[in-house]
Order: sequence, then structure tokens, then C-alpha cells
Amino acid sequence: NAGVTQTPKFRVLKTGQSMTLLCAQDMNHEYMYWYRQDPGMGLRLIHYSVGEGTTAKGEVPDGYNVSRLKKQNFLLGLESAAPSQTSVYFCASKESGPADTQYFGPGTRLTVL
Amino acid sequence: GQNIDQPTEMTATEGAIVQINCTYQTSGFNGLFWYQQHAGEAPTFLSYNVLDGLEEKGRFSSFLSRSKGYSYLLLKELQMKDSASYLCAALDSNYQLIWGAGTKLIIKP
Repeated sequence: NAGVTQTPKFRVLKTGQSMTLLCAQDMNHEYMYWYRQDPGMGLRLIHYSVGEGTTAKGEVPDGYNVSRLKKQNFLLGLESAAPSQTSVYFCASKESGPADTQYFGPGTRLTVL
Repeated sequence: GQNIDQPTEMTATEGAIVQINCTYQTSGFNGLFWYQQHAGEAPTFLSYNVLDGLEEKGRFSSFLSRSKGYSYLLLKELQMKDSASYLCAALDSNYQLIWGAGTKLIIKP
């Protein structure tokens, strides 16, 4: 099993450009999450999904959109990138139990110039 | 508001013992997680406590006091590979994880 994978690993964008980050998991997990991690701050939840076809907003959803068309994939879109979105983005997944462990992907390092 | 506090950085010596503290204030509480994160890598699960007391798992132990809103992670027989950030996260009433900023642990020979 590959676990949770993320594409791409690194990306540099110019302000105003758009991009999509892809997260894939092969563990048949119901829940999937997108976080961002910035220096000196805890992981912050952007959006999450409790199952195929569902999405919900997290703590910092502005400027991002998501889709979960297939159970194994969770896409994070930036429509018009801003320098404030420079960050490391982590995807995570877990089974459906409320206290189940989240498993993280390797992260995407995004720089917006 | 919801808040997780843990020290920013700690230094310890190889072979020694270190305790990393975490205090939390959340709207409701459904347990506390500890994750390890090596530089440039993903967080990986270490422990989960929902009841008061100490849970031991090899060289790592985690303690929880719900009445005090307090947890600690105890690392024994420190090895150089334990140099990493340790993330504390509390599960709130909506079963969402509230994350601390992490404690960077530096191990010196």
C-alpha cells in the first residue's frame, strides 16, 4: 500500500495563477482532510470530506475549493493564488470512527511569488 | 476560543529522558493525540489518550489529566533519531483536531 500520496511535491506560482493539488489514498478511508502548515503555527484545517461527494469548510477555507468525486481522491484548488497562500499543504485521511488516527501524505511545498 | 500550548523548543542529551508538556482549552474534549514530525516530512501518529492516566508504548509514554487540561509525552533513552517536532492535538466536541504549534526537540550527543 502506498498510503496517502500527494502531487506535486513542490510548486512555484505567480500571484493570480491557479493550480490543483491532488491527494490520493489507497486505504479505503472515508474521511479526508486538507491542512496547511506555516512556521510557528499549528496545522490549520482548510477543508475536509466525510465521504465521496461531500465537502465541508474548515478553519481557513477562503481562497480554496475542494472536490471529492471519487472516494480515494481529494482535490484542493487555488483559483487565484496569493503570496499569503505560500505554505506547506498536507493531506490526511482516516477511517470513519470519530477518534480514528489521521494518516498524512508527504506534503506539497507551495511558493506564491 | 480553543487553544493548545506547548513549548517551542527543547534540548536534551542522547540517552536521557525528556518530558514535553501540552495544555489545552477546547470546546468539549474527546481525546488527545501526539504526533512526531521530522523536518520536511509528514506527521506520524504516536499516541492517543482519552482517559486519565499513563499509556506506555516502548520508549514513549503519554499522560493525560482531563481535569487539568494537561498532557505530556515522555521519551526515554533518547536517540539521535528522536530529533523532531512533537505535535499535540486535542479532539474537540465536533471531533475536529485542534493542533498545537509543535515542540522542536533537539538531541545532543
